[in-house]
Amino acid sequence: DAGVTQSPTHLIKTRGQQVTLRCSPKSGHDTVSWYQQALGQGPQFIFQYYEEEERQRGNFPDRFSGHQFPNYSSELNVNALLLGDSALYLCASSLGRSGLNKKAQYFGPGTRLLVL
Amino acid sequence: EDQVTQSPEALRLQEGESSSLNCSYTVSGLRGLFWYRQDPGKGPEFLFTLYSAGEEKEKERLKATLTKKESFLHITAPKPEDSATYLCAVLEYGNKLVFGAGTILRVKS
Repeated sequence: DAGVTQSPTHLIKTRGQQVTLRCSPKSGHDTVSWYQQALGQGPQFIFQYYEEEERQRGNFPDRFSGHQFPNYSSELNVNALLLGDSALYLCASSLGRSGLNKKAQYFGPGTRLLVL
Repeated sequence: EDQVTQSPEALRLQEGESSSLNCSYTVSGLRGLFWYRQDPGKGPEFLFTLYSAGEEKEKERLKATLTKKESFLHITAPKPEDSATYLCAVLEYGNKLVFGAGTILRVKS
């Protein structure tokens, strides 16, 4: 049973560029959440996708956007990169249906983004 | 927004020296509390979910407990391979996790 997968594993960009990160959820899961984790801190919620729509959003600017595909995989896009966007970007999958959405979120290995 | 505070920030133990990590939270209504283990450069690994005060879960040398204000992760007779960062998170409305900053555990042989 494949777990959550993310690509790429590492990425180096320069300020002002745009980046796309990808995530495939755990088999059987229909919900994908994205988190940003700065060094030495806990993950911070960016947004969550369920049934191809953004269901909930954290305190991140509009430069951060996403998409969910019919196969439940997801992309995170960040425009106009800033130095402060350097972090580990984590994708987590879970079940989104009512009654099941209190179950655990399972995380992928993350994408390490460095903005120079 | 819910608040999650973990203590201590870092903990050094000798192999076999049992201890506890603390996670205190302020929420309007707890929907779930989660413990994760994170190794350097990797994603968090799910350990436990607790839903109501008095609930306990165990896995190998780890035991998680929950009260109305806090959760404890008890580590019994730890081994060097238990060294990691342990993260606590509460589930907010809509399935958003709010994390603490974590406790870095180092176990020396």
